[in-house]
Amino acid sequence: RKEVEQDPGPFNVPEGATVAFNCTYSNSASQSFFWYRQDCRKEPKLLMSVYSSGNEDGRFTAQLNRASQYISLLIRDSKLSDSATYLCVVYLNQGGKLIFGQGTELSVKP
Amino acid sequence: DADVTQTPRNRITKTGKRIMLECSQTKGHDRMYWYRQDPGLGLRLIYYSFDVKDINKGEISDGYSVSRQAQAKFSLSLESAIPNQTALYFCATSDPRTLNYGYTFGSGTRLTVV
Repeated sequence: RKEVEQDPGPFNVPEGATVAFNCTYSNSASQSFFWYRQDCRKEPKLLMSVYSSGNEDGRFTAQLNRASQYISLLIRDSKLSDSATYLCVVYLNQGGKLIFGQGTELSVKP
Repeated sequence: DADVTQTPRNRITKTGKRIMLECSQTKGHDRMYWYRQDPGLGLRLIYYSFDVKDINKGEISDGYSVSRQAQAKFSLSLESAIPNQTALYFCATSDPRTLNYGYTFGSGTRLTVV
């Protein structure tokens, strides 16, 4: 079983749509959680951290459920510029490293 | 200049050749990492180093070796390249004392083994 698993993609949505990505992780010792964004074959960039209390950054909302080992990302009012691959990432304090999910591709169409 | 610089950006090499990918950073971070990315598989950790004298294997280290020449430099070598090592390679640095661990990625090296 992969340590971090994401929804298979791609997601093709119209502009203005709301889209949700889901992710599960297997290591209960995972320390911190993130969503990264990766544009076509470029380096991943941090989109936002994920907290148990939920956190919002503009149109983006991230949620963590430690009991279910589940992470989500909600994007409201999708823009063309949101088209990218979204990577669910966990940080393992033991070993001090990031573990990446396989990514979910989002394509927002006019 | 970029905080994390990878060279070369693109490379085509033949099966059996030895190749080195280089990474240098100006972040002053102690921790450095090499990842590879294949379509549909996300980023997978090859090797990582927490300081000049510390080298650790990641989940897919077979066929690779690394050298931490200085705090700022971390090189990845393919001793005898094979076609299934064709991938996009990323170097990264981090500082666990900073917000979100301060991960910074290089722009990647696209390697093709023919």
